[in-house]
Formats: sequence, structure tokens, C-alpha cells
Amino acid sequence: SQQGEEDPQALSIQEGENATMNCSYKTSINNLQWYRQNSGRGLVHLILIRSNEREKHSGRLRVTLDTSKKSSSLLITASRAADTASYFCAVANAGGTSYGKLTFGQGTILTVHP
Amino acid sequence: NAGVTQTPKFQVLKTGQSMTLQCAQDMNHEYMSWYRQDPGMGLRLIHYSVGAGITDQGEVPNGYNVSRSTTEDFPLRLLSAAPSQTSVYFCASSYSPLAGGSYNEQFFGPGTRLTVL
Repeated sequence: SQQGEEDPQALSIQEGENATMNCSYKTSINNLQWYRQNSGRGLVHLILIRSNEREKHSGRLRVTLDTSKKSSSLLITASRAADTASYFCAVANAGGTSYGKLTFGQGTILTVHP
Repeated sequence: NAGVTQTPKFQVLKTGQSMTLQCAQDMNHEYMSWYRQDPGMGLRLIHYSVGAGITDQGEVPNGYNVSRSTTEDFPLRLLSAAPSQTSVYFCASSYSPLAGGSYNEQFFGPGTRLTVL
């Protein structure tokens, strides 16, 4: 079953606004990662947050993790037209036979209008 | 560094044909994996490898074979193509998740867009 489930499926905002995307998962995790995919391209890693971390920042990106609610959010502040892309969360399961496996959500399509 | 490279970029097959999608990385990563991406489905893991000579199945392995004879290369073979295998295929690599006990970011190739008629 799909580990990461994202919300919303699509988000349309104006340049300068903030964009928030959410990800929920079902089982214990080692870490949760966010990726960006521009149209027709491969995925690019944005940020990784470990299960013992609650918040992480990278430039205009802020990621939070709530393991009690099994959810994460990605905030992009002061969005730009170049941020237009699909954003995926990916869950790295904890231990067992799942070493290294990432389970991806369905993605959020973000459109930033100039 | 070229990173992760995939060939071909595009391929059209007829039902029943076989082919190999190539993937290579020059970062000395132990871990490599193959995903397929379908509309509305996100990425689904097909097969993965934690090192040369070691492969395992992912979520959707049926109809695909892999082997890992070197650290650099991880080809994906379609044995008898079916229309259901029409998809975009991505190869990814990372440092071993076993190294230091932590899991790492994955580096993705540009993808192969496959159409099976």
C-alpha cells in the first residue's frame, strides 16, 4: 500500500505567496524526503528529515515532521514562477527488510503564476 | 560527474518484444533502484540492488528482470513487453542505507519514456 499520501493534489498560487503541501504515512519511518520534478525531467532531492527531527530549513523551504500524527509538511515561502513543478514526499521505512526502499506519494502539482 | 545516466530517452515497442533499459552512475553508489511513474500513481519501485551481485524485488516486479554485475551499471530488462508496461522509467542511486545506519537522498536519472503498442 502507498506509504506517502499527499494533499492537495494540485495547488495554484501567485508569485510571492507561500505554498504548503502535506504528506501522511502509515508506518514507522527512518526518514522522510521531499523531491521536486519539473515537467519531463527526473526527480531532484530537496530535503531529508529524520524521524527524530521536528523541523528543518533549507533556503526558502521549511519541512516539519510530526511522528505522532504520521505527517509532514513542506512550506515554500515567497514562491517564484520557477517553483512550478510536482513535489513528492518519499518515506524511508524503518528497519526490517525495507532497507533503502523509498515509497513515494502521488505528488502535488504546484503552479505559481507570475 | 555525469551522475545517473539512462538510455534510451524514448522507446516504442510492439507487444511481445524484449528490450533492456540501461542505467549507469559514476558516483560509486552501492544502492541502485528502478521505478516506474504512471499518471496519478506516483513512483513505484520495480527492483533494487544494495550492491554488485545483490538484487531484490520492489512493489511491481512482474515482467521485469535485473542484474548487477558491476557497481556502476543496473540494467532493467523487459522480457515480453505488454501495453501495461507503457510508462516512464527512472533509475536512481544513493550511498548504501546501511552505511552509518542512516538513509540517504537518491539521485535520479532523466528517465526513459516507453510506449508499448
